Amino acid sequence: DTAVSQTPKYLVTQMGNDKSIKCEQNLGHDTMYWYKQDSKKFLKIMFSYNNKELIINETVPNRFSPKSPDKAHLNLHINSLELGDSAVYFCASSYGTDNEKLFFGSGTQLSVL
Amino acid sequence: QKEVEQNSGPLSVPEGAIASLNCTYSDRGSQSFFWYRQYSGKSPELIMSIYSNGDKEDGRFTAQLNKASQYVSLLIRDSQPSDSATYLCAVEGTGGGNKLTFGTGTQLKVEL
Repeated sequence: DTAVSQTPKYLVTQMGNDKSIKCEQNLGHDTMYWYKQDSKKFLKIMFSYNNKELIINETVPNRFSPKSPDKAHLNLHINSLELGDSAVYFCASSYGTDNEKLFFGSGTQLSVL
Repeated sequence: QKEVEQNSGPLSVPEGAIASLNCTYSDRGSQSFFWYRQYSGKSPELIMSIYSNGDKEDGRFTAQLNKASQYVSLLIRDSQPSDSATYLCAVEGTGGGNKLTFGTGTQLKVEL
């Protein structure tokens, strides 16, 4: 069983479209994250949720909206996609909020044309 | 100044040699430090964590931390071709939410 699963693995779309990426973890973790990795491999946190409560919200455009229906799920919705949004988006989870160990999903390669 | 800095590499070492990966950070109050390994096209995976000054060994991996110099390193002994990957240094910040900041990673190539 995959510990942190995210879908889709690949997402190709046109500028201006709205898209969602889904993430689920079956590890019983309390905290989930979204990270963005750009073409230079720079991995930057976007959001963090602990027990469905937003605890980290980096300076991300408000076109990006995370939603956590329960502590096992953290979805990412992106409105009005732009070329600069092209990147790999990783979902991750951990016990608590102390970053002891992040478990990453396999990533979603988003390409905006 | 970047918060977490690493040489991007590639760092090439022959099989069996020691690979030394370095990382510096700017947040003097940081207490938790991590090394993640990322194979091409895959997700990062944690290989080492270190919280106290000095060395921490786990198999062929040794993490070294010097908080006074704001420096953390990873040594890989007896390097194998399977160690070829990008190694990401991550530092937990002192701001709200225990934010983890990653460096841009060092690409390691272990050559036969």
